[in-house]
Amino acid sequence: DIQMTQSPSTLSASVGDRVTITCRASQSISSWLAWYQQKPGKAPKLLIYKASSLESGVPSRFSGSGSGTEFTLTITSLQPDDFATYYCQQYNSYWTFGQGTKVEIK
Amino acid sequence: EVQLVESGGGLVQPGGSLRLSCAASGFTFSSYEMNWVRQAPGKGLEWVSHISTSGSNIYHADSVKGRFTISRDNAKNSLYLQMNSLRAEDTAVYYCATGGGYFEYWGQGTLVTVSS
Repeated sequence: DIQMTQSPSTLSASVGDRVTITCRASQSISSWLAWYQQKPGKAPKLLIYKASSLESGVPSRFSGSGSGTEFTLTITSLQPDDFATYYCQQYNSYWTFGQGTKVEIK
Repeated sequence: EVQLVESGGGLVQPGGSLRLSCAASGFTFSSYEMNWVRQAPGKGLEWVSHISTSGSNIYHADSVKGRFTISRDNAKNSLYLQMNSLRAEDTAVYYCATGGGYFEYWGQGTLVTVSS
């Protein structure tokens, strides 16, 4: 089974900050990686697929990069609506989520 | 507008059964692979089950294999999850989601609580 490890688990940041979340796979997953945003009591929302492709309607301040085993989600200029929990997901072999990264207000 | 609406959740005793449903609208359901994903209270996301467009290919996570069964009825635009031999650790919000790789559309979820 492929394990996904996100870091950090919690991130404190201010509006306007540049934020980077890392996701590592236990084996190569090529670019078969997605990122989701989830707010309390809501379903996850797809942000990025195939490691770096921005889902339609998602603001361009979100970007993804990486391939193989190491990936990053970057939010340039954090907005109030961005405080949420973020999950990576591999879909190279079945489906596995990272444990999540909570972005909270500093 | 794409809509996925889950139903069938509730309180069930350990060892009991429950059948979840997901009603789809706003897209060609028969053309989309489908999944169930769950989230235990205060925890992260866990993929549970996947079914191909025709229902011929089915996969379940090891944690539910032999207890849960995913199915679909394309004529009724509906996805199902039959859950048997339920355990306390199955307590979670269950979401249906579209996709064979990444999960593009999600329902709002239905809460399953396994407790005596």
